[in-house]
Amino acid sequence: DAGVIQSPRHEVTEMGQEVTLRCKPISGHDYLFWYRQTMMRGLELLIYFNNNVPIDDSGMPEDRFSAKMPNASFSTLKIQPSEPRDSAVYFCASSPPGQGWNIQYFGAGTRLSVL
Amino acid sequence: TQLLEQSPQFLSIQEGENLTVYCNSSSVFSSLQWYRQEPGEGPVLLVTVVTGGEVKKLKRLTFQFGDARKDSSLHITAAQPGDTGLYLCAGGNSNYQLIWGAGTKLIIKP
Repeated sequence: DAGVIQSPRHEVTEMGQEVTLRCKPISGHDYLFWYRQTMMRGLELLIYFNNNVPIDDSGMPEDRFSAKMPNASFSTLKIQPSEPRDSAVYFCASSPPGQGWNIQYFGAGTRLSVL
Repeated sequence: TQLLEQSPQFLSIQEGENLTVYCNSSSVFSSLQWYRQEPGEGPVLLVTVVTGGEVKKLKRLTFQFGDARKDSSLHITAAQPGDTGLYLCAGGNSNYQLIWGAGTKLIIKP
């Protein structure tokens, strides 16, 4: 069974450019989480969805960040415009039905560098 | 604001030694999870403990949830180089949130 798939694995962009990160959760999972990890701040929850509906986006740092989940098998996290302080590893995670916060399966992450 | 403090932040020991890492809070959690993260990968769930005083074993790893459900420990017996990684604890609260610790970076030298 394939795990959570994220793309791209690495992204290097220049300040001001739009960045789109992609996530395919595990089939059948109904929760999807977007996290950001940095050395300074550790792992931070940005937003999570339940059955494709955004439930809590209070962790999204600014209006420059937006996330969508058009269907159960795909989600995007967009940063527009990007800034150097957005450089981090972004993780997507999903949870099976009935588990919610109890079990999260993480993707391998997207390492974003904004120059 | 609920916080989880992990200690030590960094630990480097020789293969074969025993070690314990800690996850502490002043808040009560409904559950406590331990994850291991290897370089270039996402965290992988090792165990979830939900009952105060609960002890779970995973081969050479022993996890304990404090009686008051405010703290947890991870003990590794006879550490091996394959145990190297970042160990993260995460506490579940009544608001259906996971509070994450900053992690303990563990290096086991052969």
